Amino acid sequence: EVQLVESGGGLVQPGGSLRLSCAASGFTFSSYWMSWVRQAPGKGLEWVANIKQDGSEKYYVDSVKGRFTISRDNAKNSLYLQMNSLRAEDTAVYYCAREVEAGVVDYWGQGTLVTVSS
Amino acid sequence: QSALTQPASVSGSPGQSITISCTGTSSDVGGYNYVSWYQQHPGKAPKLMIYDVSNRPSGVSNRFSGSKSGNTASLTISGLQAEDEADYYCSSYTSSSTLAVFGTGTKVTVL
Repeated sequence: EVQLVESGGGLVQPGGSLRLSCAASGFTFSSYWMSWVRQAPGKGLEWVANIKQDGSEKYYVDSVKGRFTISRDNAKNSLYLQMNSLRAEDTAVYYCAREVEAGVVDYWGQGTLVTVSS
Repeated sequence: QSALTQPASVSGSPGQSITISCTGTSSDVGGYNYVSWYQQHPGKAPKLMIYDVSNRPSGVSNRFSGSKSGNTASLTISGLQAEDEADYYCSSYTSSSTLAVFGTGTKVTVL
């Protein structure tokens, strides 16, 4: 059974940092593009970043470029999102997601809430 | 990276059919057959319902179908059921960005 389990969310002050993790199981992690998708409270879905199978390509939405870094450890079946210089508008549930093709996610984690507030 | 346009809400009675539209441009919806649809119940993660415009993943009811005409994709739910009440999002590959783009989302209400 495919499982994606996020962790690392919480309350952080503006300008602070947080690192999200996603533990994957039930499939060959190293064979898939992986993504982070977020959803602000009461708002729609937004692609944040994705990363190629071997980590050689990484893409980001404009609003997080230079602040967020996506990475993966295929030996540990884990996906990460390092978030720096956090802003109030980064407040959202962050989902770990498995991409089967460009823009198509077939499995999602349960999400982890990040709240940026003083 | 502008979001695709969806109606804010659509409603229907049990047993009826409803259609949700997703309008983009020739750089995304109109240019590629890489449109997908997701269902999201409150407090839950999204679920893939349709991919590549009209393909259903295993386990998704055949009451859900997808199509596309020009720059607009559509999701049709036939035989509407109470459990279909949820938010629905479209998504498309886009040549304008390195990431795919989601639609604005549509709340489906079963009357």
